[in-house]
Amino acid sequence: AQSVTQPDIHITVSEGASLELRCNYSYGATPYLFWYVQSPGQGLQLLLKYFSGDTLVQGIKGFEAEFKRSQSSFNLRKPSVHWSDAAEYFCAAASNFGNEKLTFGTGTRLTIIP
Amino acid sequence: EAGVVQSPRYKIIEKKQPVAFWCNPISGHNTLYWYLQNLGQGPELLIRYENEEAVDDSQLPKDRFSAERLKGVDSTLKIQPAELGDSAVYLCASSLKSTAPYNEQFFGPGTRLTVL
Repeated sequence: AQSVTQPDIHITVSEGASLELRCNYSYGATPYLFWYVQSPGQGLQLLLKYFSGDTLVQGIKGFEAEFKRSQSSFNLRKPSVHWSDAAEYFCAAASNFGNEKLTFGTGTRLTIIP
Repeated sequence: EAGVVQSPRYKIIEKKQPVAFWCNPISGHNTLYWYLQNLGQGPELLIRYENEEAVDDSQLPKDRFSAERLKGVDSTLKIQPAELGDSAVYLCASSLKSTAPYNEQFFGPGTRLTVL
């Protein structure tokens, strides 16, 4: 079955420190991959996406993600976090034959400490 | 440009009561999605519409849940009767179907349902 796994339920990072959120996927073929952010009371906002090509993708708000086929991973990174980055982050995947069904991971809650 | 609009934002009801959620997608978006997000979980697709046709409703619990998108624009999701386990956030999303490999989904803020 197709699935997306985010092994870290909660991560705490100091402001200004670097961040890496982990995501692994299990699909028959390499899916389309996404990272979304959800702030309290807000809808999901797309940070970045990977379809093919360059395995390092840049997104909004200074985030980037690296696709590693050998590890079935798509980890999200930011070199220096800001207090406003505190939110819930979701990794998601969709099969690449056009049915557009997104499968989400369970999310990682990011807390920023001063 | 206005985003996806959902109402109400919050709803508290007693079990066995009916409840309805409304979604207005981004103007021109022909595909509309309803997702269920349980506490501490990622969203799960309930139903997907292309225009007024439900093209994927395999995850919609049809004994108590129903949805409609009569004119291919706004949509209503209904639960009747509600159960305690229905307490969750109900998200609506929309996208514009195109020839691109993937059509980005834009999400509304959701409706948080509490069933007492």
